[in-house]
Amino acid sequence: AQSVTQLDSQVPVFEEAPVELRCNYSSSVSVYLFWYVQYPNQGLQLLLKYLSGSTLVESINGFEAEFNKSQTSFHLRKPSVHISDTAEYFCAVSRTGGSYIPTFGRGTSLIVHP
Amino acid sequence: EAQVTQNPRYLITVTGKKLTVTCSQNMNHEYMSWYRQDPGLGLRQIYYSMNVEVTDKGDVPEGYKVSRKEKRNFPLILESPSPNQTSLYFCASSSPEPPPYNEQFFGPGTRLTVL
Repeated sequence: AQSVTQLDSQVPVFEEAPVELRCNYSSSVSVYLFWYVQYPNQGLQLLLKYLSGSTLVESINGFEAEFNKSQTSFHLRKPSVHISDTAEYFCAVSRTGGSYIPTFGRGTSLIVHP
Repeated sequence: EAQVTQNPRYLITVTGKKLTVTCSQNMNHEYMSWYRQDPGLGLRQIYYSMNVEVTDKGDVPEGYKVSRKEKRNFPLILESPSPNQTSLYFCASSSPEPPPYNEQFFGPGTRLTVL
């Protein structure tokens, strides 16, 4: 079985400040890792993913996440946030083989203040 | 355009009145799933389907039914809705091939209120 823990339910931050949203996972097998974003009144959409290779992955809108196998973490970071980044962020994990059932964290609400 | 569609987007109903929320995807995905989203609880999987005629329970299946008669459709059925099923529901699909697989494509959501 696998599990995902998002340590912060809410992260308030001022515009242009850096932010880190934390995600830890547990699994007895190799996993793929994902961050999804949910803007207000919308469905979830994929932000970035780690499948293999370089442990640092980036999104097109300036977010990045680093896979740390020893710490079983996949924290999401952005050096300078915008008002438009206000959204709910979900970390997810799924096994690399067999079942395709993903496990989602409870989500972190990023609130960017002007 | 590749997408997952859900209908209706909003629904208010009364306890015990059977309802169906439809979900359809046009990406030829094998895997489809239903989630409910509740404040403080995040996303919880209700049912999933690995392919046509193959369905299985997720974390919170009680009070729900699903069917997968066609690859593109995966309706969620509430035979006798109760107020604790008031929630935001999402349908999602994905494909095991080609990589990167396990990426979920989500519908826009259905907000259900059971009075």
